[in-house]
Amino acid sequence: QKEVEQNSGPLSVPEGAIASLNCTYSDRGSQSFFWYRQYSGKSPELIMFIYSNGDKEDGRFTAQLNKASQYVSLLIRDSQPSDSATYLCAVQGSNNNDMRFGAGTRLTVKP
Amino acid sequence: EAGVTQFPSHSVIEKGQTVTLRCDPISGHDNLYWYRRVMGKEIKFLLHFVKESKQDESGMPNNRFLAERTGGTYSTLKVQPAELEDSGVYFCASSPYRGRGYTFGSGTRLTVV
Repeated sequence: QKEVEQNSGPLSVPEGAIASLNCTYSDRGSQSFFWYRQYSGKSPELIMFIYSNGDKEDGRFTAQLNKASQYVSLLIRDSQPSDSATYLCAVQGSNNNDMRFGAGTRLTVKP
Repeated sequence: EAGVTQFPSHSVIEKGQTVTLRCDPISGHDNLYWYRRVMGKEIKFLLHFVKESKQDESGMPNNRFLAERTGGTYSTLKVQPAELEDSGVYFCASSPYRGRGYTFGSGTRLTVV
């Protein structure tokens, strides 16, 4: 079992819709959870982090964490073509040391 | 604030040659990480420095890879001798604290032919 799993996509949504990206992880003791956005040929860019169960909202982005289910998600409201990118889920393990990444979900927002 | 700087941005070398990648973290960031992404795969952890000390090098694939961080500032990652499977994008990242998101550099795309 991979440490961090994501649906590789591609996920395609129309402009203005809600994009839902999902991630599961295997280390039950994981403490910190991150979403990175990576445009093609660019470096990953941190867009959200969450530590506690529940929802965390930042503008059009909402991160959701359910530690009991070992599940973290990212919702993007009012999706824009500029949101088209690969979204990487990253989990900081119970040793609080390094992050483990999922393979990423490629999102395309169609005008 | 300057970001994380990596160079070269691209490197093409022949199998058996040596390549050294360099990373300059954000000033004041004690934590420095190396990651690698092989085509189509997830970003994989290689190692973690806290200042000049290797905190965790469990992700280093084998002894052909050597990382150093001189004086707790910039870091180098040397691959010697390079093999075809070493091709990929090598990312460096830094952070001021553990448990927080990292700032990534733009990566070095290594191609071994």
